Amino acid sequence: GQQVMQIPQYQHVQEGEDFTTYCNSSTTLSNIQWYKQRPGGHPVFLIQLVKSGEVKKQKRLTFQFGEAKKNSSLHITATQTTDVGTYFCADIANSGYALNFGKGTSLLVTP
Amino acid sequence: EPEVTQTPSHQVTQMGQEVILRCVPISNHLYFYWYRQILGQKVEFLVSFYNNEISEKSEIFDDQFSVERPDGSNFTLKIRSTKLEDSAMYFCASSTRWTARGEQYFGPGTRLTVT
Repeated sequence: GQQVMQIPQYQHVQEGEDFTTYCNSSTTLSNIQWYKQRPGGHPVFLIQLVKSGEVKKQKRLTFQFGEAKKNSSLHITATQTTDVGTYFCADIANSGYALNFGKGTSLLVTP
Repeated sequence: EPEVTQTPSHQVTQMGQEVILRCVPISNHLYFYWYRQILGQKVEFLVSFYNNEISEKSEIFDDQFSVERPDGSNFTLKIRSTKLEDSAMYFCASSTRWTARGEQYFGPGTRLTVT
């Protein structure tokens, strides 16, 4: 399957600061999903992006899919301590059945 | 809200033993998956299952692994002869739609420790 690369691996911010994680692929992605995993928890679906250049918002979270469908980003405005966790992007394998996860970005927010 | 459940939450076994991890997917879901996550690493796809057969499996899912849906509710992952490197968190997931079209719902996981 395709490999999606995520950066940064870790991010430590003060509460109220913004945060962005990036997901990059060397090949065109059909679509991409984002998941959040709290410490000790399981992945929880956040969103799916399908269209080139798509931008979706969920409260303080903004998701983008690049025009070439080779990259995606998740931006959190004014982080809160509840945002702590690891954010994974996942692309869909060619077969359509498997999710290939990136290595994730671990976000730590200190009050 | 419906959720995926998994049992046990923690399994400790000796190398070479067989283990069965159990999952109850959300009742109206049609697609089922197993993933594993070694501590501190990314989530890795193992296998997907639809219509009572494997639809895709990864390189990790070798002959030591098997899956089964023995009845209308349970979905199991069997590891025939466990190795130390099988120690990981195993997540079951289910979805109503083909992954390309919908989200997957993950269970809380079973932590497998092989000693």
